[in-house]
Amino acid sequence: RKEVEQDPGPFNVPEGATVAFNCTYSNSASQSFFWYRQDCRKEPKLLMSVYSSGNEDGRFTAQLNRASQYISLLIRDSKLSDSATYLCVAQTGANNLFFGTGTRLTVIP
Amino acid sequence: DADVTQTPRNRITKTGKRIMLECSQTKGHDRMYWYRQDPGLGLRLIYYSFDVKDINKGEISDGYSVSRQAQAKFSLSLESAIPNQTALYFCATSDPPAQYFGPGTRLTVL
Repeated sequence: RKEVEQDPGPFNVPEGATVAFNCTYSNSASQSFFWYRQDCRKEPKLLMSVYSSGNEDGRFTAQLNRASQYISLLIRDSKLSDSATYLCVAQTGANNLFFGTGTRLTVIP
Repeated sequence: DADVTQTPRNRITKTGKRIMLECSQTKGHDRMYWYRQDPGLGLRLIYYSFDVKDINKGEISDGYSVSRQAQAKFSLSLESAIPNQTALYFCATSDPPAQYFGPGTRLTVL
C-alpha cells in the first residue's frame, strides 16, 4: 500500500469554480503534512503546510483529519494560473517525506 | 539566479555508462536530497545528507551513489546506468520543514 494516495484526476473546472482534492496517508505516525504545486516539466514548489486546526492562505484552504488519515486542499475562485499538479506530502520522523503521485488540475476559461 | 541548480538539465546515455548529476545551492542549507520522479510513482528519495560528513540511503538507493563535496554541492552518480533509471531527477535542499527543489535533470538511458 502506498504511503500517500491521491486521485490523479484530471480535474477540469471552469474559471471561478471551487475545487477540492483529498489525499490519504497510511502511517498514523505521520506528523507533518504539506501541499506542493508542480507545473508541467518544472520542479515542485511548496504551496502550504497543513496544520491540525486547518489553515487558509488566500483562496487556498488546507484541512487535516487525523482520525480518518486524510488531508484536503480547497481552491476557491479558480484562476487559469491554478492549472498544475498538486502533490500531497506526509512526513514521518525527521526526514521521511512521502509524496503522493499528484492530482492534475486544469482550469478552463 | 536560481537558489538550487542542477547540471546537466538533459542527458541521454547508453546502458553501462557512468553518469554524474551535479547539484549546487546558494541557500546555505545543510540538508540536501536527491529524488527521482516517474509517472504514476511520484517522487521517491534516493539519498540525503544532513551535512558534509553525513550520507544516508533513501527509499531507492540501489544502483546510485552520492558525494557531498561541500555544504553547497551534492552529486549523484550512476555507476553503470540501466534503462529503468530513465527518469526525472530532482535535487532539493531543506530548511525544515520546507523543501526547495532544483529544476530537475531529465535522464534517458538507452
